[in-house]
Amino acid sequence: EAQVTQNPRYLITVTGKKLTVTCSQNMNHEYMSWYRQDPGLGLRQIYYSMNVEVTDKGDVPEGYKVSRKEKRNFPLILESPSPNQTSLYFCASSLFGGAANTEAFFGQGTRLTVV
Amino acid sequence: KQEVTQIPAALSVPEGENLVLNCSFTDSAIYNLQWFRQDPGKGLTSLLLIQSSQREQTSGRLNASLDKSSGRSTLYIAASQPGDSATYLCVVNSRGGSYIPTFGRGTSLIVHP
Repeated sequence: EAQVTQNPRYLITVTGKKLTVTCSQNMNHEYMSWYRQDPGLGLRQIYYSMNVEVTDKGDVPEGYKVSRKEKRNFPLILESPSPNQTSLYFCASSLFGGAANTEAFFGQGTRLTVV
Repeated sequence: KQEVTQIPAALSVPEGENLVLNCSFTDSAIYNLQWFRQDPGKGLTSLLLIQSSQREQTSGRLNASLDKSSGRSTLYIAASQPGDSATYLCVVNSRGGSYIPTFGRGTSLIVHP
């Protein structure tokens, strides 16, 4: 089954404690991205990756890091989480970024709370 | 910069009604437009993808149209059911070198029996 898998689904952590949210897709997609969703602000892109070892900032990259060492995985790293990073996070993938006929697939989301 | 607006923000209707959800975008230079459904606390499920060269796409009771020149897309839901209750998101992939899709803020739909 084609899918994007995020882990964990729920996470409560303390300020400053490094954490990683994993994302994996089994569709051999080149394009992967991370979003955060906040009430009243909708979905905003954090980082995206066009392919292995190719990453770029989205609209709200501050406080986040990503890596793309293999095609299927695109982890989101918070080196020093802060309460304003409390949010619902989504990982997504598609065959190509922005090109026609590229349906996007989303993970089930990770609800992160930083206290 | 591309901006995507969805109207209405919320909608509550009785079961059986035909519905129209609207999405407008400011820059017509797009690759495609995609409609998603999001259930509370869950991820996004793709409903329909319309390429820039297409005028509409249909899937079951759903029909999405695209008028690129006027910067509009509509999602038509026929004979609505309580199971259609969810938030519907419109996403635009723009040309011009940016690979950052632009999301609308969604229409929250409640279909009551």
